[in-house]
Amino acid sequence: AQSVTQLDSHVSVSEGTPVLLRCNYSSSYSPSLFWYVQHPNKGLQLLLKYTSAATLVKGINGFEAEFKKSETSFHLTKPSAHMSDAAEYFCVVSDPFGSSNTGKLIFGQGTTLQVKP
Amino acid sequence: EPEVTQTPSHQVTQMGQEVILRCVPISNHLYFYWYRQILGQKVEFLVSFYNNEISEKSEIFDDQFSVERPDGSNFTLKIRSTKLEDSAMYFCASSDWGRLSGNTIYFGEGSWLTVV
Repeated sequence: AQSVTQLDSHVSVSEGTPVLLRCNYSSSYSPSLFWYVQHPNKGLQLLLKYTSAATLVKGINGFEAEFKKSETSFHLTKPSAHMSDAAEYFCVVSDPFGSSNTGKLIFGQGTTLQVKP
Repeated sequence: EPEVTQTPSHQVTQMGQEVILRCVPISNHLYFYWYRQILGQKVEFLVSFYNNEISEKSEIFDDQFSVERPDGSNFTLKIRSTKLEDSAMYFCASSDWGRLSGNTIYFGEGSWLTVV
């Protein structure tokens, strides 16, 4: 069975400092992994995705994530936080070759990123 | 950029009433989904829909819920006899489900349902 654990429910950084949002996954096969962002009163926007190609994935707004199979991790990073990055971030796993084959997503609990001036 | 659109953005309904949430998926997509997020909790899968039938549903998706694609463009979620615990944000999503593309799922902005 697939699962996702986001290790921090809340992360606070100062503007201009690096961001690290941690995610560990469990999957019985080669997973697809995603990070989605949700700004207040907005929908879910795809930041980036990993689909068994390059292990370092670049996304929008300067975010990137590295797939580490040995550590079953997919941490999200950004070198320099901006005030507009304040939002809820979800790590998500999908098993595209799984038995259900419907592509459903399993969400982590979410990490609230606070960016201080 | 194509997007998934949902209506209404917010609906308040009395307990026991029926609610229909509407969605227009991205036009060339074939897979459709409903997810929900109860306030303060994680986003949960409800149902997936392909080729005019449900392909998978979660334990949450009981007989109270139904989905339909009535006219080839809209995708609806009906909740019969709403309960207080149905209050949540409901997200519609769609995908072209390319195995090699890794199934990117695009979400709408959500419909807030408040049951009073």
